[in-house]
Amino acid sequence: SQTIHQWPATLVQPVGSPLSLECTVEGTSNPNLYWYRQAAGRGLQLLFYSVGIGQISSEVPQNLSASRPQDRQFILSSKKLLLSDSGFYLCARKSAGYEQYFGPGTRLTVT
Amino acid sequence: GESVGLHLPTLSVQEGDNSIINCAYSNSASDYFIWYKQESGKGPQFIIDIRSNMDKRQGQRVTVLLNKTVKHLSLQIAATQPGDSAVYFCAAVGEGGSYIPTFGRGTSLIVHP
Repeated sequence: SQTIHQWPATLVQPVGSPLSLECTVEGTSNPNLYWYRQAAGRGLQLLFYSVGIGQISSEVPQNLSASRPQDRQFILSSKKLLLSDSGFYLCARKSAGYEQYFGPGTRLTVT
Repeated sequence: GESVGLHLPTLSVQEGDNSIINCAYSNSASDYFIWYKQESGKGPQFIIDIRSNMDKRQGQRVTVLLNKTVKHLSLQIAATQPGDSAVYFCAAVGEGGSYIPTFGRGTSLIVHP
């Protein structure tokens, strides 16, 4: 199974509040994992990727952070949300080949 | 760095027509190209891929063409159906172990019955 779970599915948070989005994956161990953000009508922006437990690479400077406490768990966090953090957050894992499998996403609205 | 773009943000077609979605890439070292389909409110789904040593690959109702000379690839959908309505993304993956794809902005395909 290549199933990816993300929760919550939707979230409305006030500016300045903290954030924690969770992603868990099924399937082979030690997968490459990715966090993307997608603004309305826009493409996919890579935020973080991880090749293993505790190994996080950041692609863009921002007020978000990521952690990988377990092999199949990838968490996206923020201490204080900004309005610009609103968007559709997608977790993905690399397949055995080059393509990625994506989760169902979390719709975040910061008010 | 790599950049991947799409020629048209929106493509409208009639049901039964063939659709062609285009994509340009900048890094000639890109080794692998992928097309994804994203339906509204869902995550992208893999459609078809092609390696840089190929110029054509066919799937079920879809064909991807790669022209390395002009750094262009296209996705052709035969007999387009209403269920094909979605945003289509191309992605290019370069060499190396991190497998970080560069995604294009996306083309919204609208199929009219």
